[in-house]
Amino acid sequence: EADIYQTPRYLVIGTGKKITLECSQTMGHDKMYWYQQDPGMELHLIHYSYGVNSTEKGDLSSESTVSRIRTEHFPLTLESARPSHTSQYLCASSDQGAPGQGSDEQFFGPGTRLTVL
Amino acid sequence: KNQVEQSPQSLIILEGKNCTLQCNYTVSPFSNLRWYKQDTGRGPVSLTIMTFSENTKSNGRYTATLDADTKQSSLHITASQLSDSASYICVVSDRGSTLGRLYFGRGTQLTVWP
Repeated sequence: EADIYQTPRYLVIGTGKKITLECSQTMGHDKMYWYQQDPGMELHLIHYSYGVNSTEKGDLSSESTVSRIRTEHFPLTLESARPSHTSQYLCASSDQGAPGQGSDEQFFGPGTRLTVL
Repeated sequence: KNQVEQSPQSLIILEGKNCTLQCNYTVSPFSNLRWYKQDTGRGPVSLTIMTFSENTKSNGRYTATLDADTKQSSLHITASQLSDSASYICVVSDRGSTLGRLYFGRGTQLTVWP
């Protein structure tokens, strides 16, 4: 079944630890995205990718980094976690679509709830 | 500045009742508007999509309307169920970039009581 997966679903770690949030999709989508969402607030785009070997920073400045070595995989890494990184991280993917024609539907993963102590 | 504003921020209704959620946007150029449902601890799931020429679209008990002239949309939920308890997010896409930029509202938190 085509889907988008995120692991772990919940993560509690101490300050200074390095973490990687995993995101995989089986829909063959070219575009993938990472969003950060705090309670009661809108989603903020922190990273996106047009395809393999493509990564771009989003609107919200983030100390995280991403990589896109395979189409289906788009991991997000924090080298040194801090309490300010506590948030929900949502991964999404969409078809390439026609340039300048607006986005196609983004399919979201279940999210990773990160807590940094 | 491109923005999406939703109201009310939160809403509590009794099971079986109807409700309407509002979305006002200033995004330009406009491509489409989606309503997403986000259950607690889950990712958003698309309910409806509306383009510039569409006024009304239904998906089961959910009916979305769009007035592109006034830049307003609404989501009407009929005969609410307990499972409708969730955050409903209005998302507007622009037509001005290759990425197809999305603008998210903060959502309306709906709680349905038995």
